Amino acid sequence: DGGITQSPKYLFRKEGQNVTLSCEQNLNHDAMYWYRQDPGQGLRLIYYSQIVNDFQKGDIAEGYSVSREKKESFPLTVTSAQKNPTAFYLCASTLSGASYEQYFGPGTRLTVT
Amino acid sequence: GENVEQHPSTLSVQEGDSAVIKCTYSDSASNYFPWYKQELGKGPQLIIDIRSNVGEKKDQRIAVTLNKTAKHFSLHITETQPEDSAVYFCAASGGSYIPTFGRGTSLIVHP
Repeated sequence: DGGITQSPKYLFRKEGQNVTLSCEQNLNHDAMYWYRQDPGQGLRLIYYSQIVNDFQKGDIAEGYSVSREKKESFPLTVTSAQKNPTAFYLCASTLSGASYEQYFGPGTRLTVT
Repeated sequence: GENVEQHPSTLSVQEGDSAVIKCTYSDSASNYFPWYKQELGKGPQLIIDIRSNVGEKKDQRIAVTLNKTAKHFSLHITETQPEDSAVYFCAASGGSYIPTFGRGTSLIVHP
């Protein structure tokens, strides 16, 4: 089955630690995205990548970093500089950077204490 | 940039009733309007979408209408069932292809 996998489903970290969230897709999609979701809020774009070895900041990139070394993988690192990292993180992909329909992974809930 | 407003934030209906969720957008260049359903603890799934050259689109019990002049679009669910209970998000996209999402509507269908 083609799709997007995110692991782990739940992640717990201590304040001050960096943590990396995994996102893998086997849809052969060129573009991938990271969103943050907080209660009562829409999805806010953190970073996106339209092609391997290239990525752009979204609306709330501060305190986050990404890499896109392989087409199928787009890991997100939440750094200690992110002031309020506890949230639900969603990864998505589109066929290309000029495609509208987004396919979402199941999400990772990160809790930082 | 684009701004998408979604109402209501919570909608409670009885099984069998209809549900309507409304969104407005600000950028007249937006031309793609999807609706996503998100069940608890899962990622959003596209349930229906509409493009700016179409006024209405139906898929079984769900329909979406678009009024480009007024810059608003709506999701209609008829004959609601308990499994329709979820959070629904609208979004709007234009030339950048990156969607701006509404804040979501929590739909509760009571048996």
